[in-house]
Amino acid sequence: DSGVTQTPKHLITATGQRVTLRCSPRSGDLSVYWYQQSLDQGLQFLIQYYNGEERAKGNILERFSAQQFPDLHSELNLSSLELGDSALYFCASSVDPGTNTGELFFGEGSRLTVL
Amino acid sequence: GIQVEQSPPDLILQEGANSTLRCNFSDSVNNLQWFHQNPWGQLINLFYIPSGTKQNGRLSATTVATERYSLLYISSSQTTDSGVYFCAVPSSGNTGKLIFGQGTTLQVKP
Repeated sequence: DSGVTQTPKHLITATGQRVTLRCSPRSGDLSVYWYQQSLDQGLQFLIQYYNGEERAKGNILERFSAQQFPDLHSELNLSSLELGDSALYFCASSVDPGTNTGELFFGEGSRLTVL
Repeated sequence: GIQVEQSPPDLILQEGANSTLRCNFSDSVNNLQWFHQNPWGQLINLFYIPSGTKQNGRLSATTVATERYSLLYISSSQTTDSGVYFCAVPSSGNTGKLIFGQGTTLQVKP
């Protein structure tokens, strides 16, 4: 158990719909990272939050948004879903001292299937 | 940005065999992690190893930061070792985000 909690574990929805994925970081970790793992794309960084503020952005689609709340949990919102959004979405957290030396710990992922 | 290359892409072993997985990276780093993604999709931390050698049971890892590579050794492989092994290093900028290699898919046959 990494200490990072993600819900839901599985989600099946239809094209055009909107879903919200939730992540609770490890106790004491201020940074939350979101990654997408598609079959043909590997693990791709989407976005990072540090203590409530957006810190880094990857190839995140405009249809996707995220936020980190005062209690440090984070949500990833995916809207106008397309078939190609089907993927495993991971959340990770770290202490992140800002020196690139923090160890990242991953949740079990949310598997999204868009039909 | 930094590039991460893993080899081999695929590996099939008989139970009990040993193997070495390699991770090359294109720029100097002060952090490197190895992960195992099991068949259920879970990403499990194996090693945090910016330099030097670490051992954990049948697994060990060595990172030679000056030569920009890391090796993961699996000895006496078991079927439960099957899955995908990823190495990951920080991208540029002090955000802590990791860039992943494409992984090595390991299948251990009984």
